[in-house]
Amino acid sequence: QKEVEQNSGPLSVPEGAIASLNCTYSDRGSQSFFWYRQYSGKSPELIMFIYSNGDKEDGRFTAQLNKASQYVSLLIRDSQPSDSATYLCAVNDPSNTGNQFYFGTGTSLTVIP
Amino acid sequence: GAVVSQHPSWVICKSGTSVKIECRSLDFQATTMFWYRQFPKQSLMLMATSNEGSKATYEQGVEKDKFLINHASLTLSTLTVTSAHPEDSSFYICSARGLAGGTQYFGPGTRLTVT
Repeated sequence: QKEVEQNSGPLSVPEGAIASLNCTYSDRGSQSFFWYRQYSGKSPELIMFIYSNGDKEDGRFTAQLNKASQYVSLLIRDSQPSDSATYLCAVNDPSNTGNQFYFGTGTSLTVIP
Repeated sequence: GAVVSQHPSWVICKSGTSVKIECRSLDFQATTMFWYRQFPKQSLMLMATSNEGSKATYEQGVEKDKFLINHASLTLSTLTVTSAHPEDSSFYICSARGLAGGTQYFGPGTRLTVT
C-alpha cells in the first residue's frame, strides 16, 4: 500500500511567521511531488510542484525535496491570514501509466492575525 | 492557463434519479481526467481514471455501473451518478492532466445532495 503521510494539524502560526508543512511518502520510485491548497468547501488549487532534490522557490512558498529521506516539505514565509487552509501533498504513482496521484490527508493551517 | 470547469457547481436530486456532471478542460487538451469524491473533513478519494477514447479505470470499491464515466473528447469527461441515494451526497471533483503529463489541475467541484 503506497502511502503519503502528513501531520493533520491543526498547525497555528502568527501572521508574518514561517509555516512549515511536512510530507513523507513510501514509494521510492515516485518522481513528481505537488502541493495543493484547499480552502473549506472549495477544490484544491496547485501551489507548486517539485521534481528534483533541493529547494524550489516561488514567491513566499518554498518546496523542499529529499528523495533519500522520502520527504517533501512546504515553507510559507510571511504567513498571511489568507493562507489559512488545508494543504495537500500529492505524489505520483510511478507504476501507473495514467500518472495517478496519491494524496496525503492534508494539514490544516491557521494563520492568526 | 490550465483551467478546468465543472458543471453544475451544485445539484439537489431525489433518491433514485440520475445526475450527470461535466468536466471540461478549457484551454488545454486533457489525455487523462480523474474523478474524486470528498466527504466533509476527509481527504480526496480517487474514484476513477478516465482516458480519452477508452474505458475508465475504477478504484477498488467504486461501482462502475453506478458511476458511469465517459471521456468522449480531449476536453470533456462526464460522470453520471445513476440511481442516486442519500449516501452518494458528496463533493465530486474532477482533475485533468494535459498532453505533456505531470500536473493535475482541478475543477471547482460539484456538490451533490440526494434527498
